[in-house]
Amino acid sequence: AQKITQTQPGMFVQEKEAVTLDCTYDTSDQSYGLFWYKQPSSGEMIFLIYQGSYDEQNATEGRYSLNFQKARKSANLVISASQLGDSAMYFCAMSSPPNYGGSQGNLIFGKGTKLSVKP
Amino acid sequence: DGGITQSPKYLFRKEGQNVTLSCEQNLNHDAMYWYRQDPGQGLRLIYYSQIVNDFQKGDIAEGYSVSREKKESFPLTVTSAQKNPTAFYLCASSSGGLGEQYFGPGTRLTVT
Repeated sequence: AQKITQTQPGMFVQEKEAVTLDCTYDTSDQSYGLFWYKQPSSGEMIFLIYQGSYDEQNATEGRYSLNFQKARKSANLVISASQLGDSAMYFCAMSSPPNYGGSQGNLIFGKGTKLSVKP
Repeated sequence: DGGITQSPKYLFRKEGQNVTLSCEQNLNHDAMYWYRQDPGQGLRLIYYSQIVNDFQKGDIAEGYSVSREKKESFPLTVTSAQKNPTAFYLCASSSGGLGEQYFGPGTRLTVT
C-alpha cells in the first residue's frame, strides 16, 4: 500500500534561514507524482511544488525546492530564506498513477509538519 | 478569476440532519475530489469523480453521498449515517493524471 511519512510534527526556523521538511514515501509503482502543499491557518491548501518519478532533476519553484532521492524514497522540501509568512502546516502527498484501482490521480497525504518562523 | 469555491465557510447542524456542502470550479477540470481533515491529521479521500455522471468511493465514503451532474459542480451530502461528521471538508479539482490538485477554501462543519 502507498504511504507518506512526515516524521517532524513541528519545526522552528529563524527568519531568513533555510529549512528542510522531511518526507518519505512507500510505493511499488514506477510512475507516481510527489507534491508539497502549504496550509495556512485559514485552511486552504496551497500547491507549492511537484516532482514526477521520472524527472531527473530536482524541482524548483522560487524559494521552494524538492530534494528528490528516488533510491531512498525521500522527497524533502527545502525552503530558502524563510519569511514570517511561511509559518503554516506543510503536507507532503503522493499521487497514484492513472487507473490504479480506478483512482486516477488521487492524492495520499502525510500528517503534516507545522513550521514556525521566528523573527 | 479561475478557481474553486466552497460554501458556506462555516456550517452548523443538529445531529440527525443531512447537510449538503457546495463545491464549484471554473477551471474546466474533469476530475473533482472531496477530502476530510480532522485536527492534527492529513487529508483523507471521501469521494472522487473523473467525469460527469460518474464518481467513485474513496477511503472513507461511508455516511457520505455525492453527485456530478455538471462538470463545474460536485456537491457532497453528509448524511445522518455519518457517525462523526464534525470536520473540515476540502474540495479539489485537477485535469487528471498525475497532475496537481487545486483546492477550495474549505467548509468547517460542526454537528452537535
